[in-house]
Amino acid sequence: KNQVEQSPQSLIILEGKNCTLQCNYTVSPFSNLRWYKQDTGRGPVSLTIMTFSENTKSNGRYTATLDADTKQSSLHITASQLSDSASYICVVSEGNTDKLIFGTGTRLQVFP
Amino acid sequence: GAVVSQHPSRVICKSGTSVKIECRSLDFQATTMFWYRQFPKKSLMLMATSNEGSKATYEQGVEKDKFLINHASLTLSTLTVTSAHPEDSSFYICSAPRQGLFGYEQYFGPGTRLTVT
Repeated sequence: KNQVEQSPQSLIILEGKNCTLQCNYTVSPFSNLRWYKQDTGRGPVSLTIMTFSENTKSNGRYTATLDADTKQSSLHITASQLSDSASYICVVSEGNTDKLIFGTGTRLQVFP
Repeated sequence: GAVVSQHPSRVICKSGTSVKIECRSLDFQATTMFWYRQFPKKSLMLMATSNEGSKATYEQGVEKDKFLINHASLTLSTLTVTSAHPEDSSFYICSAPRQGLFGYEQYFGPGTRLTVT
């Protein structure tokens, strides 16, 4: 069964600190993996999209990694800001159908 | 800027009434749009795929007669929740795929908060 699991479920950090969110998937065949940020009461906004051949991709303070062999991805947030408080969703696209498989999300709270 | 819009952003309705939610792609055409439902602190659940010019494709367990989908044009899809009940209260989100550098990128609307009293 195609699944995407994220950890931790929730995370609290102090402003200015770094953090790393994890995503493990069993989706096969794999097309691409995306990280989205979803503010409370809003739709998801894309942070990064990674294909099979990419290992690392950065978008400002966000850096995503992908290990297609172990089927793991991580999202590293550097120098966190209060506005980083949101849910971060890992989404994997199935290769044959392009169907999106959503992870359960990690809820990040950044406190001053 | 936003490339997918939804209207309304919030709606409160009485039990038994119907509610229509619009999803628009603002500067591109989308022959396919997707409708999701999201409960508090849960991830998005795909409800159906809206196809321009043909019937929508519903996911298993989603009642097609309760959640009517009409893809009226290449930039507009509507979701109508018929005979709404309190258990239909949820956050409804649409998305539309747009060709990008790495294939199709999904752009999500801002969501519609439905409360059925």
